[in-house]
Formats: sequence, structure tokens, C-alpha cells
Amino acid sequence: GENVEQHPSTLSVQEGDSAVIKCTYSDSASNYFPWYKQELGKGPQLIIDIRSNVGEKKDQRIAVTLNKTAKHFSLHITETQPEDSAVYFCAAPQNTGGFKTIFGAGTRLFVKA
Amino acid sequence: DGGITQSPKYLFRKEGQNVTLSCEQNLNHDAMYWYRQDPGQGLRLIYYSQIVNDFQKGDIAEGYSVSREKKESFPLTVTSAQKNPTAFYLCASSFAVTGTGGPYEQYFGPGTRLTVT
Repeated sequence: GENVEQHPSTLSVQEGDSAVIKCTYSDSASNYFPWYKQELGKGPQLIIDIRSNVGEKKDQRIAVTLNKTAKHFSLHITETQPEDSAVYFCAAPQNTGGFKTIFGAGTRLFVKA
Repeated sequence: DGGITQSPKYLFRKEGQNVTLSCEQNLNHDAMYWYRQDPGQGLRLIYYSQIVNDFQKGDIAEGYSVSREKKESFPLTVTSAQKNPTAFYLCASSFAVTGTGGPYEQYFGPGTRLTVT
């Protein structure tokens, strides 16, 4: 089955700097890679996703890159702001019909003002 | 407003009691999921359902039960057999994977924090 590893577990940056979170996956058949943001005491929310037919996707200050050969994908946040402080999860489908999603362990991002 | 709701937000129970967590969605999603989240950890799948009257065990189903009698509702019962039930429980929904489409984004509810003493 799919295995998703995420690092770092904690990341602290200065406001305005960039943050990068990386994930690796094991199943070469995986075709969908979402990133979720979870604020304290709330449920996760999708912030960006990418499918395996593209290598990069951007949405304002956030971007995701995918390297299918190396089986890793990364979240990039530029010009970080204090409201970016949260836990971020990457995920990939377990390809038993794609019904299960395997989540990374999460990265706690602190943006210092 | 379309969305997914969970109630209650906080729940306290005594050890040995069964407790049912509510999850309702009006997004017209076929698929629904229950996850457990422990402090500082990721999401672990308890049960999932792709269609009404059908559901499958996830990775940590022992001590839990579910039902899916309506498309909109997917309640989770934490039974007394669950050895460590104190956790944050998240419900999610999504469009179902089909032969030509998916997987899709999961929409999460706000969660229920269960404390058992």
C-alpha cells in the first residue's frame, strides 16, 4: 500500500521568508496529491492540489511541485505571513480504487512576526 | 450554505459508555470518512463509505462502528471496546471515485473532541 513521509515535522520562519515542506510517496500509480492546512481546533482544509499529469501548480503565494520520477512533491509558501502559521498535511491516494487517502504526519509551521 | 457539520464540538463520557458522534453533509457527496487525530499526529482512517448502506473498515476500526442509512449522514459510535477513545475525531466527505474521475478533495468538518475519563 501507499506510504507517505513528510518533513520537516516543525518549521519556523521569519515573516516574509519562504517555507518549503516536502513529502515522498511509495506507490508509483498515485495520481493525486493534495495539501491541507489545519488551524488549531479546526478541521483540515484543502489549500492546493496537483494531479500527476502536471509538474507544478501555483495559486498566489502557494505552489506545489511534483517529481514523479523521484516520487516526491513539495509545498512552497512565499512571503509568509503570521496567518500562515498552522499544521500542513500532504496526502496521496492508496490505490485500492482510490477510496483511501494516506496522510503525512504533518508539519507545524510557525511564522514569526 | 453547503458544508459538513459535526456535533457536538466537545464531548465528555465516562469509561465503559458508548457514545455516538454525528456527521452531516449537504454537499451531495457520495463518499464519507471518519478519521482520528491524536495530539501532534496525522490523520488515521477509522471507517469510510462510498455509498449508502455500504462501508468499509479503515486502518483503526477496532472498537468503532458506523452506519450509512442516508447519503447525508454518517454517524460514528465509539464503543466501550475502544481502549483509548480520547481523541479529536474528524469527519470528511468527497465525490466518489469513478472509473474516469478522481480521487477528489475531501471536505472536513470542524471535528469533535472526545474525552473519556
